[in-house]
Amino acid sequence: DVKVTQSSRYLVKRTGEKVFLECVQDMDHENMFWYRQDPGLGLRLIYFSYDVKMKEKGDIPEGYSVSREKKERFSLILESASTNQTSMYLCASTRRGDYGYTFGSGTRLTVV
Amino acid sequence: SQELEQSPQSLIVQEGKNLTINCTSSKTLYGLYWYKQKYGEGLIFLMMLQKGGEEKSHEKITAKLDEKKQQSSLHITASQPSHAGIYLCGAVRGYKLSFGAGTTVTVRA
Repeated sequence: DVKVTQSSRYLVKRTGEKVFLECVQDMDHENMFWYRQDPGLGLRLIYFSYDVKMKEKGDIPEGYSVSREKKERFSLILESASTNQTSMYLCASTRRGDYGYTFGSGTRLTVV
Repeated sequence: SQELEQSPQSLIVQEGKNLTINCTSSKTLYGLYWYKQKYGEGLIFLMMLQKGGEEKSHEKITAKLDEKKQQSSLHITASQPSHAGIYLCGAVRGYKLSFGAGTTVTVRA
């Protein structure tokens, strides 16, 4: 069964901490995405990557960075976590040119 | 503001009744995707519409894209508890999908 795996379902971090969210896919997909989901706002794209070492800013990249050193892994980094980054984070992947994304189960991050 | 407007924001339906969710865009839709999300989990792809007037069905869920390609509807017939969750529409915008805010569906026994 094809999968997108996010390393943690729940995380609690302190303000100012550096936070790493990991996402791994086993489908050899070129494209990978990080979204955050907030009530009333839907999903908003933070960053995406269309190839190894390639990254593009999405709609809300401020306060985040990403890393894609291997095709199967896409990491989201919060350089200095703040309370307004408390959210559900969703990773997705897809083949180039395909928009039927496969999503991970999400990481609910709370910053205190 | 959301480029994709979903309505209603939430609804409660009695088990066995039908329901309809709408997704409206201010721009022409060149690809419209419907997803379902169970609480606290990731999104599951339901179906994709591309052509004006297109209609697709899977089990008891039917999605349509209007002729002008600016509005889509998702209709569930004879709802069951398994239909509960958040339904989101997504539109192709260049290289990515942009999503509506979602419609929360509650099915009451």
